[in-house]
Amino acid sequence: EPEVTQTPSHQVTQMGQEVILRCVPISNHLYFYWYRQILGQKVEFLVSFYNNEISEKSEIFDDQFSVERPDGSNFTLKIRSTKLEDSAMYFCASSPGTGGPFFGPGTRLTVL
Amino acid sequence: GNSVTQMEGPVTLSEEAFLTINCTYTATGYPSLFWYVQYPGEGLQLLLKATKADDKGSNKGFEATYRKETTSFHLEKGSVQVSDSAVYFCALSHQGGSQGNLIFGKGTKLSVKP
Repeated sequence: EPEVTQTPSHQVTQMGQEVILRCVPISNHLYFYWYRQILGQKVEFLVSFYNNEISEKSEIFDDQFSVERPDGSNFTLKIRSTKLEDSAMYFCASSPGTGGPFFGPGTRLTVL
Repeated sequence: GNSVTQMEGPVTLSEEAFLTINCTYTATGYPSLFWYVQYPGEGLQLLLKATKADDKGSNKGFEATYRKETTSFHLEKGSVQVSDSAVYFCALSHQGGSQGNLIFGKGTKLSVKP
């Protein structure tokens, strides 16, 4: 069964450093998403991406964040200058266009 | 704005007990409703969904009915197993679009004891 994959599973970084989280969505899906879950809190929508551009983003997704689909398979989330409060589990998800998105296993980001 | 409210956990049940996890929502229009499950150490898995009023989603013995009159989407299972121990999230999506911009509830942790 096809699935969304994410790498790395755990990323540790120093405050102020740039990080790139990587995802490979399900191959025939058209919509791609990033969510995050701060420990003990709700899962929060960050951004959706369709047809090579951002289709929707939340207030959380400020200028420090960017997304890219550099080739036909990868989908990345970049945080330019990490802050302590960026520590969270980041989930990538993809969808064929209807129905709920399929989530990856997540990348735990720890900012020290 | 749109929101989802779930019953507070944790919920602890004995094997073969009946499960209900309450979920109510606030939304404009006609959102789609979802239940996701997160097993320990894993990501979110879509458990079931319903896209319009009176629809019943079902999967793996779980079911939930979209009740527009009570703005609810309660999750039920007639006989839980130890393997059902997980965190369950209720979610809604905006009407139309890709349905991928989800608003989640806080999650309800279920522990099933043998």
